Amino acid sequence: DADVTQTPRNRITKTGKRIMLECSQTKGHDRMYWYRQDPGLGLRLIYYSFDVKDINKGEISDGYSVSRQAQAKFSLSLESAIPNQTALYFCATSDVTEYTDTQYFGPGTRLTVL
Amino acid sequence: GQSLEQPSEVTAVEGAIVQINCTYQTSGFYGLSWYQQHDGGAPTFLSYNGLDGLEETGRFSSFLSRSDSYGYLLLQELQMKDSASYFCAVREDSNYQLIWGAGTKLIIKP
Repeated sequence: DADVTQTPRNRITKTGKRIMLECSQTKGHDRMYWYRQDPGLGLRLIYYSFDVKDINKGEISDGYSVSRQAQAKFSLSLESAIPNQTALYFCATSDVTEYTDTQYFGPGTRLTVL
Repeated sequence: GQSLEQPSEVTAVEGAIVQINCTYQTSGFYGLSWYQQHDGGAPTFLSYNGLDGLEETGRFSSFLSRSDSYGYLLLQELQMKDSASYFCAVREDSNYQLIWGAGTKLIIKP
């Protein structure tokens, strides 16, 4: 089974709708992240969480909110979706030590806002 | 501001060696990572350099020069399955956030 899972994998919605993307992990990592990726661009950080009680805004948090329900679960919500939020969304966890810095990504959710 | 620069596309021949460069300008620096992403897939970790020098993992090597704010990923004995996008990412501070480059699309020809 995959270590980081995301649901749904694909979603088409309409402008103004509320959307929730869910992420679960079995890696036992405290740190979790939400990124979006647009064609031809790198990953941009939306929100990150270092534990259940620690949630932080990333580079592009406007229009998004998150919930860390448990160590293993981190959800991303679009309160009122707009077309420029059409993108590929990735959840990730991380394992950081003094000598390594590795992020583990889920398979992604392709979101289309019409 | 903070920025990472890498070529948008590189073309190479199967069996050859290719180097993908990354230069960075960030307010802080803890380390440089490389990730591979196949079309339609998720990024997967390749390597991390926290100190100057070369890190080798099989056919892939990564190099870092902190004084030059520069690193590269070296892929040897290229295989068709290496066709993918390659991203460099800088860990800028103690918060462990990553700043990502825009990615280099590696095209491999038979």
